Amino acid sequence: EDKVVQSPLSLVVHEGDTVTLNCSYEVTNFRSLLWYKQEKKAPTFLFMLTSSGIEKKSGRLSSILDKKELFSILNITATQTGDSAVYLCAGVYNNNDMRFGAGTRLTVKP
Amino acid sequence: ETGVTQTPRHLVMGMTNKKSLKCEQHLGHNAMYWYKQSAKKPLELMFVYNFKEQTENNSVPSRFSPECPNSSHLFLHLHTLQPEDSALYLCASSQDGSSGRYEQFFGPGTRLTVL
Repeated sequence: EDKVVQSPLSLVVHEGDTVTLNCSYEVTNFRSLLWYKQEKKAPTFLFMLTSSGIEKKSGRLSSILDKKELFSILNITATQTGDSAVYLCAGVYNNNDMRFGAGTRLTVKP
Repeated sequence: ETGVTQTPRHLVMGMTNKKSLKCEQHLGHNAMYWYKQSAKKPLELMFVYNFKEQTENNSVPSRFSPECPNSSHLFLHLHTLQPEDSALYLCASSQDGSSGRYEQFFGPGTRLTVL
C-alpha cells in the first residue's frame, strides 16, 4: 500500500502556464512532507512542510500542506523550460523513514 | 568538495563480480541513507544509518551489504547481483532524526548496470 501518492504522473504545459502538482500521504506517524526537484541525477530540495496552512514560497514556486485532508500541493507560476523535471514528494515518518511518491514528470514546452 | 559525493558514477558488473559503492558527505550530518531508483518506480529506501548505527533495513536482499565506518562515509558492497538490480543508487545525508531536521541532501548517484 502506497504511503505517498502523487498526481498527475505526467504533465505537459507551455511556457507561461501555471501548474499545480498534488501529493497525498498517509497520516500514521507522519512528521513532515518534503518536495524535491529531480532533473538528471540527484534530487534537489525545494520545501519542507510541517505545519498546516503555512505557504512556503521560493520565487515562482510555492507549496502548502493540509494536515486535515492529508495532502500538499506544489504550484509553479509562469513556467519556464528550465522547470522541466520530475517533482518528487516525500513523507517523513518517525525519525528517518522517508517514503517517496512516484513523482510527477513536468514538461514545459517553449 | 562540498555536499554529498558518490563514486563511481557509473558501474557495469557481471553477476559474479564483487564491487562497492562509496558515499561521502561533507555536511557534518549524522544520518546517511542508501536509495535505489529503478525506471518507472518511486525511490526506494534501502538502508539508514544514524550515528553509524543501522536503524533501517527495508527487506533488502543480502547481496547488498552496507557499511558505515564513520558518520561521513557510507559503503554499499555488492555481490552476486541480478540484472534486475540495475538501477540508480543514490546516497543521502541529513542531520540526525532527533534534531527534527529531516531535509536530506542527495549525492549524484551511481548508475549500476548488471549484465
